[in-house]
Amino acid sequence: EAGVVQSPRYKIIEKKQPVAFWCNPISGHNTLYWYRQNLGQGPELLIRYENEEAVDDSQLPKDRFSAERLKGVDSTLKIQPAELGDSAVYLCASSSLSGTSGGFQETQYFGPGTRLLVL
Amino acid sequence: AQSVTQPDIHITVSEGASLELRCNYSYGATPYLFWYVQSPGQGLQLLLKYFSGDTLVQGIKGFEAEFKRSQSSFNLRKPSVHWSDAAEYFCAVAPRSGYSTLTFGKGTMLLVSP
Repeated sequence: EAGVVQSPRYKIIEKKQPVAFWCNPISGHNTLYWYRQNLGQGPELLIRYENEEAVDDSQLPKDRFSAERLKGVDSTLKIQPAELGDSAVYLCASSSLSGTSGGFQETQYFGPGTRLLVL
Repeated sequence: AQSVTQPDIHITVSEGASLELRCNYSYGATPYLFWYVQSPGQGLQLLLKYFSGDTLVQGIKGFEAEFKRSQSSFNLRKPSVHWSDAAEYFCAVAPRSGYSTLTFGKGTMLLVSP
């Protein structure tokens, strides 16, 4: 089974330029997450999708960040314009639920990430 | 608010020695618990998870973790470390409610000396 696919793996841009990241989740996974991981930190959620609906975007800086998940499969995260502080690793994860009505359990699987450097 | 503490930023272990990485969480109720590993330049790989049942959980690559409710801990262990285990290890928690966001610790970097 193929894992979560992300592209590009690396991106170097100048500040104020736009940038976009793409994610293809594991087949059959309806939930998709975008996380940002700053150097020396754990990942932090940017946005969560259930199918094509963004159900949690409270941590997404909406003045410059946008995301979409057309048709509930692939997703794109965009930054426009990029700032120096946006340099980080952007991770995509997908998940599915398992269990019974007595308790559902979710496991998230992560892609390799996109390493963004803003100069 | 929930939080995860990994008190050791770096740990150095000799190859063949045992390993224990600490994780403590602060949560209203017992959450789901996870350990992920991140090799340099790679994404996060799931090592193991605890949902319920036996508090000693076996994972991949010879790792295990023990959930201790009284100590709000979920420490990761391996009896004999290999050089290929050098990586960053993240503990994470999620609420027991279907789809939910993971809260990560800041990670522990494991260095393996020959």
